[in-house]
Amino acid sequence: NAGVTQTPKFQVLKTGQSMTLQCAQDMNHNSMYWYRQDPGMGLRLIYYSASEGTTDKGEVPNGYNVSRLNKREFSLRLESAAPSQTSVYFCASSVTRTSGRETQYFGPGTRLLVL
Amino acid sequence: AQKVTQAQTEISVVEKEDVTLDCVYETRDTTYYLFWYKQPPSGELVFLIRRNSFDEQNEISGRYSWNFQKSTSSFNFTITASQVVDSAVYFCALTSNSGYSTLTFGKGTMLLVSP
Repeated sequence: NAGVTQTPKFQVLKTGQSMTLQCAQDMNHNSMYWYRQDPGMGLRLIYYSASEGTTDKGEVPNGYNVSRLNKREFSLRLESAAPSQTSVYFCASSVTRTSGRETQYFGPGTRLLVL
Repeated sequence: AQKVTQAQTEISVVEKEDVTLDCVYETRDTTYYLFWYKQPPSGELVFLIRRNSFDEQNEISGRYSWNFQKSTSSFNFTITASQVVDSAVYFCALTSNSGYSTLTFGKGTMLLVSP
């Protein structure tokens, strides 16, 4: 099993360009998440999908959109990239989100640089 | 609101030394879960352990041990006989059993183990 996979691993964008970060999991998990990691800030939740067909905002959703394409896939879109969105983006999944006991498993991350 | 504090930003030790990473948390919930993740230089986030608020037994896994103390709201992580491969950023995180609970991360402690 691959677990959680993310593409691309690294991307450079110019301000104003758009792109989509892809995430897929093969663990039959119901819930999926997008986080960003910035130096000295830990991880912050951007959006999550508690189950297929639902998405909700996290702590820092501005400038992002998401799509839960199916149970396996959860994409993150930057419509008009800004330098403040330079970060490392992590996708994660868990069995469910209705109970805090569920462990979230993370993908390898995507490093995004916006010039 | 939930909060996780990792006061140690960076720790440097020499191989074979024991090292303890501190984690202090805040939550109003009586049922909650604590996690430790490891982020090696390669960048991925690796799940290490999950504890629930009703189980205060210390846990040992090889060279790793965890000390959970509700009285001081702490969940500290000790590495015995550290090795160079332990060099990483370690994150402590918290969820509660409230519906659709958020995983709240500390800002991480960077551990550097020198040969």
